Amino acid sequence: GAVVSQHPSRVICKSGTSVKIECRSLDFQATTMFWYRQFPKQSLMLMATSNEGSKATYEQGVEKDKFLINHASLTLSTLTVTSAHPEDSSFYICSAHAGTGYSTDTQYFGPGTRLTVL
Amino acid sequence: AQSVTQPDIHITVSEGASLELRCNYSYGATPYLFWYVQSPGQGLQLLLKYFSGDTLVQGIKGFEAEFKRSQSSFNLRKPSVHWSDAAEYFCAVLLGGTSYGKLTFGQGTILTVHP
Repeated sequence: GAVVSQHPSRVICKSGTSVKIECRSLDFQATTMFWYRQFPKQSLMLMATSNEGSKATYEQGVEKDKFLINHASLTLSTLTVTSAHPEDSSFYICSAHAGTGYSTDTQYFGPGTRLTVL
Repeated sequence: AQSVTQPDIHITVSEGASLELRCNYSYGATPYLFWYVQSPGQGLQLLLKYFSGDTLVQGIKGFEAEFKRSQSSFNLRKPSVHWSDAAEYFCAVLLGGTSYGKLTFGQGTILTVHP
């Protein structure tokens, strides 16, 4: 139980294009999802908190206009990297708080999406 | 500010040897603590967590961790390491108050297992 999926697992795009990454909770409803960014050989840095039906809350230093987050349903949150540049290349990981039947204080993580911007 | 420190960036052990990965935290209230494992190119898998109660917690894959409030530590242990345990391990603390739900991660410890 408590499975989180991400799609795509890997994407390569040209500079200036936009890329959408999906995060889905497969067997539970998640009112809150989180988006992290991980640079090579570094820890996870929280980018934003995604709440179903409301605007995302961004961490300090994260450009909200560049990293668009939409949490349209209780099982889906999307991260769109707009006008991507090579410095946006990174590993993006989402997580979700599971609801009824699971510990609400535990986050379950997706497998991550490797973004490479040429 | 809350923080999590994993003093060891890289640890190498022989298969069958015991393992201890260190984690220290700085947090004003009673912490909720987690250990996650990440294989290369993968997301994070929860190994174990501490919320309250017994300070020695058991997790999956034979791992355990002990919460020591006096030392602000939550070290991860395994009595006998298997080659498949080679991965990166992250300690994390769950923030409370207005930041409730957010995780702060340590820098990670890369574990290499020699045959």
